[in-house]
Amino acid sequence: EQQVQQSPASLVLQEAENAELQCSFSIFTNQVQWFYQRPGGRLVSLLYNPSGTKQSGRLTSTTVIKERRSSLHISSSQITDSGTYLCAMERTGGYKVVFGSGTRLLVSP
Amino acid sequence: GGIITQTPKFLIGQEGQKLTLKCQQNFNHDTMYWYRQDSGKGLRLIYYSITENDLQKGDLSEGYDASREKKSSFSLTVTSAQKNEMAVFLCASSPQGANSDYTFGSGTRLLVI
Repeated sequence: EQQVQQSPASLVLQEAENAELQCSFSIFTNQVQWFYQRPGGRLVSLLYNPSGTKQSGRLTSTTVIKERRSSLHISSSQITDSGTYLCAMERTGGYKVVFGSGTRLLVSP
Repeated sequence: GGIITQTPKFLIGQEGQKLTLKCQQNFNHDTMYWYRQDSGKGLRLIYYSITENDLQKGDLSEGYDASREKKSSFSLTVTSAQKNEMAVFLCASSPQGANSDYTFGSGTRLLVI
């Protein structure tokens, strides 16, 4: 069973367009985190957002715990935003962070 | 600032071979993790360790062993490499109970011929 579902699987945008990435969970969780990975690069943490709305620069995450979902909004996309965005949740009992399959974003000029 | 280092960066092995991957961190983080990343499948947890000499199985532990002899290092052994296997193994660390401070290594790319 895929516990973390991400959509869309891939997304192509033109520079300056906005992106909306979705993540849904099969179980309730209060630990949600978004990560970014450049092709061939290291995973880096973008936002830790267990509930509500959090913003970091052009990134805004909204997590609705009772609906078991989280979203990541990227405003005014740039070519350097291209890469894979993964969301992750912590299962009960701690430590077992489960990842989605990711959304592959390509921003073109 | 700290760093988490994985060695080797690339590993080519033969079928049936035992292969060891190493991970070192100097953040003084308590918890360390090994994940396997396959295309289209996200990351799957193999083993994790919450302190020195502790080992906990993840969802994909079969076919792997792990060792946490020091707080700063966590190694993963592929006990018998499978032919044509190709994957990226990622190590991560975090302070105990603080998932907001999850740091990943740059990965070890494995190819089995």
